Amino acid sequence: ETGVTQSPTHLIKTRGQQVTLRCSSQSGHNTVSWYQQALGQGPQFIFQYYREEENGRGNFPPRFSGLQFPNYSSELNVNALELDDSALYLCASSSRDGTEAFFGQGTRLTVV
Amino acid sequence: GEDVEQSLFLSVREGDSSVINCTYTDSSSTYLYWYKQEPGAGLQLLTYIFSNMDMKQDQRLTVLLNKKDKHLSLRIADTQTGDSAIYFCAENWGSSNTGKLIFGQGTTLQVKP
Repeated sequence: ETGVTQSPTHLIKTRGQQVTLRCSSQSGHNTVSWYQQALGQGPQFIFQYYREEENGRGNFPPRFSGLQFPNYSSELNVNALELDDSALYLCASSSRDGTEAFFGQGTRLTVV
Repeated sequence: GEDVEQSLFLSVREGDSSVINCTYTDSSSTYLYWYKQEPGAGLQLLTYIFSNMDMKQDQRLTVLLNKKDKHLSLRIADTQTGDSAIYFCAENWGSSNTGKLIFGQGTTLQVKP
């Protein structure tokens, strides 16, 4: 049990729709990172938030956006969903020094 | 660019040792990690090693780091059926450790009774 919680656990959306995924970070952690894990692949870094600001972004288009709130919880928003967006979305929280990143159970998104 | 590579599959008998290998490309990585993922679950941090270390042991787990060859390995002693899972090697992105990780594709470990 890492203390990182994500919601919802599963979600089905139609191509072109928008989706919001949520993450509560572990107590004491002020940094949240989001990853996309396609079936059979390793997680791919989407972006990171620190003190409510984006702090680094991977190779993902602008329709992937995020927010971090004063309590360090975070949201991942994806607009104009595509079939290839179907994946497990993982949130990880870490302290500022980033030595240990702890992951939530993930949200399984299916786009049909 | 950054890249992390792992062999895809390893099968061992219960009680044997398992060795999972990984190569990485970013020589500025300060930490290297091993995560475990069971079916339908998130990632569990198993262990990590600082780049100025050669070896780290934690109970049944031994991590070896060859920085010259950019090679990382995870040895699991006395492998149990509960160790069956996908194991991911990861390096931190860039020279400062900020929790942004680059993962390999994962090695599926199958433990036969």
